[in-house]
Amino acid sequence: AQSVTQLGSHVSVSEGALVLLRCNYSSSVPPYLFWYVQYPNQGLQLLLKYTSAATLVKGINGFEAEFKKSETSFHLTKPSAHMSDAAEYFCAVSPNTGTASKLTFGTGTRLQVTL
Amino acid sequence: KAGVTQTPRYLIKTRGQQVTLSCSPISGHRSVSWYQQTPGQGLQFLFEYFSETQRNKGNFPGRFSGRQFSNSRSEMNVSTLELGDSALYLCASRAGPNTGELFFGEGSRLTVL
Repeated sequence: AQSVTQLGSHVSVSEGALVLLRCNYSSSVPPYLFWYVQYPNQGLQLLLKYTSAATLVKGINGFEAEFKKSETSFHLTKPSAHMSDAAEYFCAVSPNTGTASKLTFGTGTRLQVTL
Repeated sequence: KAGVTQTPRYLIKTRGQQVTLSCSPISGHRSVSWYQQTPGQGLQFLFEYFSETQRNKGNFPGRFSGRQFSNSRSEMNVSTLELGDSALYLCASRAGPNTGELFFGEGSRLTVL
């Protein structure tokens, strides 16, 4: 069974500041890990994914995440926030067993970017 | 390349009615999954179809059903609607059942009155 926990349902940062969104996972098998972003009234867009290759994963829009097995974490970061980053972010996990099926999502973190 | 297309985008139904939602996957994608998104429960997996066969099912009552056609298009149906079925229903596609990345549509927002 897999699960993810996103710490902080709301995060507020100033424009230009570091963005850090936290995600911890639990998985009985090696996991695939994902970060998705959802803008208002839209579906989910994949930001980046970890599939057991490099532990530091670079995604779109300047985001990156680091897989830390010892900490069971997959935190999302961006060095400098932009107003357009305001959205809801979801961490998700699926089993990396060759029969990956459903994704299990976290509860989401709403990112607010202020001037 | 067109993305995942869901229709209708918005709809309003009353309790006891049924509803059918449609999803056209990205061209060449043969796996389609459905998710329900609500403020209280978040994103929950409904089911996944590949080659017209249901491969996995989430923990939803039998009122929720789906199917996939030979062209990979998928529909989901909810019968005997309840107020709690009000949600954003998201469809996602991927190339095959063993690739982890999902591409999502914009969703169908269902309101049950």
